[in-house]
Amino acid sequence: AQSVAQPEDQVNVAEGNPLTVKCTYSVSGNPYLFWYVQYPNRGLQFLLKYITGDNLVKGSYGFEAEFNKSQTSFHLKKPSALVSDSALYFCAVRDPSNSGYALNFGKGTSLLVTP
Amino acid sequence: ETGVTQTPRHLVMGMTNKKSLKCEQHLGHNAMYWYKQSAKKPLELMFVYNFKEQTENNSVPSRFSPECPNSSHLFLHLHTLQPEDSALYLCASSQEWGVGTEAFFGQGTRLTVV
Repeated sequence: AQSVAQPEDQVNVAEGNPLTVKCTYSVSGNPYLFWYVQYPNRGLQFLLKYITGDNLVKGSYGFEAEFNKSQTSFHLKKPSALVSDSALYFCAVRDPSNSGYALNFGKGTSLLVTP
Repeated sequence: ETGVTQTPRHLVMGMTNKKSLKCEQHLGHNAMYWYKQSAKKPLELMFVYNFKEQTENNSVPSRFSPECPNSSHLFLHLHTLQPEDSALYLCASSQEWGVGTEAFFGQGTRLTVV
């Protein structure tokens, strides 16, 4: 079975500080990993993904994520947070060796960036 | 704008009503999905269609009935719903099912069952 965990319900960061939103995964094969962001009353927007290759993946709005196979993690990071980054962030995983094809999402982490 | 449009944005319905949610994608994708988003819970995959054929049904109650007449349109027909079915229903599409393609989501339909 494939799954993803986001251990924090909420992350609070001051504007200008670096931010990290944590994600760990569990799959039977090599994972495909994704991060999405959801602003209030909106659908999910794709931020970045890891398929293969360089462990550090860069995405939209200055976000990046690091794939760590030994720790089975894919944490989302940004060097300097903006108030406008405040939103709900979802990590998702797909196991290409699994017969299921849709993404499995974590429960989400609410990011609050204060001025 | 993601290229995936859902209507209506908000829907209030009684438990005896019949209604339908509509999703349309203008991206040329061939896979479409319905997800349910409830507060404090992970997104729940409901149905998957690939080239108009249903490929997954994650033990969804029969009061939810999907329909995919073509690769660009997806419907979710609702009847005799329960108050616990109140949630945000999200439609998504992707270029292929499987592999490393990301899904694009609509803005969702906020459903309230009274």
